[in-house]
Amino acid sequence: AQSVTQLDSHVSVSEGTPVLLRCNYSSSYSPSLFWYVQHPNKGLQLLLKYTSAATLVKGINGFEAEFKKSETSFHLTKPSAHMSDAAEYFCVVSPSGGSYIPTFGRGTSLIVHP
Amino acid sequence: DSGVTQTPKHLITATGQRVTLRCSPRSGDLSVYWYQQSLDQGLQFLIQYYNGEERAKGNILERFSAQQFPDLHSELNLSSLELGDSALYFCASSDTSLIGNTIYFGEGSWLTVV
Repeated sequence: AQSVTQLDSHVSVSEGTPVLLRCNYSSSYSPSLFWYVQHPNKGLQLLLKYTSAATLVKGINGFEAEFKKSETSFHLTKPSAHMSDAAEYFCVVSPSGGSYIPTFGRGTSLIVHP
Repeated sequence: DSGVTQTPKHLITATGQRVTLRCSPRSGDLSVYWYQQSLDQGLQFLIQYYNGEERAKGNILERFSAQQFPDLHSELNLSSLELGDSALYFCASSDTSLIGNTIYFGEGSWLTVV
């Protein structure tokens, strides 16, 4: 069985400050992990993907995530938030065995204040 | 633009009716996924097709059905609609059904049942 937990339903930051969106996963196998972003009234866009290569993954728009197997975490970070980063972010786990349907977290709403 | 096309973008219909949502995957993608997104349930996997064959089934109601045609486009049929079926329905595609493969999402079809 696999699951993914996004630890915060909402994160509020000021523009120009760092962003941290937290994600913990459980998987019986070595997983592939993803972060997607959904802007209002839009589809889900892939931010970045981890597939057992480098543990630090760089994505689009200055985002990156670090895979920590010992902590079963895949937190998303950005050094400096921009107003356009305000959106819903989803952490996704897709295992390497058993069910291969990706499992989505409930999402974290990122709010950016001017 | 992900390359996944969904129609219609918005649909309003009455309870008890039937609707069909259409999805054209990215060029060359063989696998199509359907997801339902609602405020209370989050993003729920409904069903997956791979090259015309049903590959995996998730939380899809018996009133719902889907198929993938030889040209690889897919349709999701929703019948005997209820108020609770109001949601955003996403189609996604990937080039294989392999585990860990990146899934690309369309913009979604907003269904409102009144």
